[in-house]
Amino acid sequence: QKEVEQNSGPLSVPEGAIASLNCTYSDRGSQSFFWYRQYSGKSPELIMSIYSNGDKEDGRFTAQLNKASQYVSLLIRDSQPSDSATYLCAVQLAGGYQKVTFGTGTKLQVIP
Amino acid sequence: NAGVTQTPKFQVLKTGQSMTLQCAQDMNHNSMYWYRQDPGMGLRLIYYSASEGTTDKGEVPNGYNVSRLNKREFSLRLESAAPSQTSVYFCASLGTDRRTYGYTFGSGTRLTVV
Repeated sequence: QKEVEQNSGPLSVPEGAIASLNCTYSDRGSQSFFWYRQYSGKSPELIMSIYSNGDKEDGRFTAQLNKASQYVSLLIRDSQPSDSATYLCAVQLAGGYQKVTFGTGTKLQVIP
Repeated sequence: NAGVTQTPKFQVLKTGQSMTLQCAQDMNHNSMYWYRQDPGMGLRLIYYSASEGTTDKGEVPNGYNVSRLNKREFSLRLESAAPSQTSVYFCASLGTDRRTYGYTFGSGTRLTVV
């Protein structure tokens, strides 16, 4: 079982719709969770982090965390073509600043 | 505000050649990392440095060495390049500000070993 699993996609959504990206993780000791966006040929950039169960909103992005079910998701409202990218989920163990595991990413395509 | 600067951006090596990838950050971060990214494999940690003067192996350290030259700089060396080391390499640093906690990545080095 992979430590961090994501559907590779591509996930296609029409412009203006809500895109929902999901991630599951295997280690119950995980404490910090991150979403990164990576455009083709570019480096990953941090979108947001979440540490507690529930929702965290930042602009059009909402991260959702459910530690009991071991999943974290990212919702993108009012999706734009510029949101088309690969989205990486990353999980960090408690006290393990060196132990950050990345998923392989979900490719999102927003269709105009 | 440059963030994390990596050089070179592209490199082609012949099998057996050596090279050093350079990385520098200007955010006063203590922790620095080297990752490689391969299709279908995601980002995998090669080495990391929790603070100046310390380095540790990550998930895939074989064939690599690192040097934490000072707080700003963290270099990755390939002593004898192999085709399996063809990859995109990212340097990253990690701050401790809870509000912006997460990696800042450099722009990457695309390395091809022939």
